[in-house]
Amino acid sequence: AQKITQTQPGMFVQEKEAVTLDCTYDTSDPSYGLFWYKQPSSGEMIFLIYQGSYDQQNATEGRYSLNFQKARKSANLVISASQLGDSAMYFCAMREGSYQGGSEKLVFGKGTKLTVNP
Amino acid sequence: EAQVTQNPRYLITVTGKKLTVTCSQNMNHEYMSWYRQDPGLGLRQIYYSMNVEVTDKGDVPEGYKVSRKEKRNFPLILESPSPNQTSLYFCASSLYSGAQGETQYFGPGTRLLVL
Repeated sequence: AQKITQTQPGMFVQEKEAVTLDCTYDTSDPSYGLFWYKQPSSGEMIFLIYQGSYDQQNATEGRYSLNFQKARKSANLVISASQLGDSAMYFCAMREGSYQGGSEKLVFGKGTKLTVNP
Repeated sequence: EAQVTQNPRYLITVTGKKLTVTCSQNMNHEYMSWYRQDPGLGLRQIYYSMNVEVTDKGDVPEGYKVSRKEKRNFPLILESPSPNQTSLYFCASSLYSGAQGETQYFGPGTRLLVL
């Protein structure tokens, strides 16, 4: 079974509008971390935002926020005020393990290709 | 500048010709890892290393070897490359502080084509 599911292969959004990229995860470990990465057409992987399983509040980083719904096991990325430069592949990833000595392995979803239209 | 470097960035080779992709980080990170990225599959872990002389298999280790003789370097070795190893390869590193929020820093990627 997939541990990270991104159900949207592609998404389109108008410039300056907000967009939500979906991510659901599967784990029985009470301690885990969720990450979002951006991959532009140039290929590099850019870290965007992190949410820990014990964090009480949703993570935010500038125009990026994470809509964390623990009971539903979802960690959707919200990009506000989309810009043309946001066009890229977006990957959701999870790391399982306890706080001390946790596994460093990241398990990735298959990604969502976001296109921002002018 | 803190970074992870990979070389070469692009490589075209033929089946069976041994090759090495180098990875180096200047952040004194304990943890290093190799991933491959294929269309529709996301990134999958090949091998990882918790520290010098400590390596272990990831999800797709077949056909690959690694070594960790120095903390900063983690080369990926393909002893006899095959066309199904054509892929985009990423090296990543992190501090391995045990903190869940410790992010992994990725190298720029190496595009490999095996003919």
